[in-house]
Amino acid sequence: AQKVTQAQTEISVVEKEDVTLDCVYETRDTTYYLFWYKQPPSGELVFLIRRNSFDEQNEISGRYSWNFQKSTSSFNFTITASQVVDSAVYFCALSEGPYSGGSNYKLTFGKGTLLTVNP
Amino acid sequence: DTAVSQTPKYLVTQMGNDKSIKCEQNLGHDTMYWYKQDSKKFLKIMFSYNNKELIINETVPNRFSPKSPDKAHLNLHINSLELGDSAVYFCASRPNQMDEQYFGPGTRLTVT
Repeated sequence: AQKVTQAQTEISVVEKEDVTLDCVYETRDTTYYLFWYKQPPSGELVFLIRRNSFDEQNEISGRYSWNFQKSTSSFNFTITASQVVDSAVYFCALSEGPYSGGSNYKLTFGKGTLLTVNP
Repeated sequence: DTAVSQTPKYLVTQMGNDKSIKCEQNLGHDTMYWYKQDSKKFLKIMFSYNNKELIINETVPNRFSPKSPDKAHLNLHINSLELGDSAVYFCASRPNQMDEQYFGPGTRLTVT
C-alpha cells in the first residue's frame, strides 16, 4: 500500500524567510510518481510539480525548489524568500506505476502542511 | 475554456435529501476522479473512472453513486444525505497514469 506522510501540520514564517516542507512516502513499487499541489485560501488545487522515480535530479522553478531522495524516500519542497502569497496548504502526493493494478490510477495525498507567511 | 468544471459550487441541503454534483472536463482525458476533502483538509479519493469504466471504489458508502455517461462527464449522486457528508468534493481528470491530475474548483456541500 502507498502512503504519504507530511509530518509538519503547520508552519509559520516571516516574509523573506526560506522554508522547507517535508514529504516522506512509502511504496512497494519501483516505478512511481510524486507530486506537489498548492491549495490557497481560495480553495482550488494548483499543480506545482511532478517527479518520476527514475529522475532524482533536483528541480528549481523560480523561488521553488524540490529535493528528491530515493534513499530516504523523501521529496521535500523549499520556498526561498517566502512571500505572503505563498500562504496556503501544500500537499505532497504519490501515484504508483503502470504495473500496480488499479492502484496506479489514484493519487494518495499526504495530510497537507499549512504554511502561513506573515508580513 | 475551463478545463474541469463542477456544478454547483455550493450546495446546502437537509439531512435525508438526495443531491447530485456534476463534473465535466474538456481536456479529452480518459480518467476522471472524485475526491472528498474533509474539514481537516484531508483529501481522499472516492472513485475513479477510466473510459466510463469504474476503476476505483474506495470503501465509499452505497449512498454515493458515480455515473459516467461519457468520457467527459462524471457525476456524483448522493442519497439520504448525512451530516458527515458535509465536505468539499473535488472532481479531477488525468490523461494517463503518469501525469498530474487536473482538479475542478470544488463543490462545498453543507448538510444541515
